[in-house]
Amino acid sequence: ETGVTQSPTHLIKTRGQQVTLRCSSQSGHNTVSWYQQALGQGPQFIFQYYREEENGRGNFPPRFSGLQFPNYSSELNVNALELDDSALYLCASSTQWTNEQYFGPGTRLTVT
Amino acid sequence: AQRVTQPEKLLSVFKGAPVELKCNYSYSGSPELFWYVQYSRQRLQLLLRHISRESIKGFTADLNKGETSFHLKKPFAQEEDSAMYYCALSVNSGYSTLTFGKGTMLLVSP
Repeated sequence: ETGVTQSPTHLIKTRGQQVTLRCSSQSGHNTVSWYQQALGQGPQFIFQYYREEENGRGNFPPRFSGLQFPNYSSELNVNALELDDSALYLCASSTQWTNEQYFGPGTRLTVT
Repeated sequence: AQRVTQPEKLLSVFKGAPVELKCNYSYSGSPELFWYVQYSRQRLQLLLRHISRESIKGFTADLNKGETSFHLKKPFAQEEDSAMYYCALSVNSGYSTLTFGKGTMLLVSP
């Protein structure tokens, strides 16, 4: 059984740029959720994808967008990066039958 | 909106001492509660969930709906329990998501 993987591990971007983060879900999982974890905080829900459609969204602006592909992998895109976007971005996969989510190692994004 | 509160940023105990990590939540319905743990340099992983009523690595947690609490307990702490612990809540509203507390760092000294 393959766990959740994320790429890249680390990323440094400049304010105003755009970034794409990637996630491969755990084998057998068809739902992907993205979370932002700022320093000293718990993860905060960004959005969830199921069957290639956004299935729910947290309190994040539209410049945070995503995709899910037929193989259930997913991308998180952030446009017009701001300094406050610096955080650890976590991807979690699950099935539609359970609230139990399995997390990837995260991508550390630094915006300068 | 739902909220999870973990009042302690840091809990420091000696090996063999009892441990209680506090978690309180606010939600008017019937949520599902979880404890996640993150060991040093490892990913966030599920420790236990209230509906399973299991004991994992000696930890237990009981959902108290009257006090809206889900405290994590272990009678005898081990050094390998040192980690960051997050309490999380899930509600079914067309989709499932987790609302996390800010976490408590548990340090177990020899």
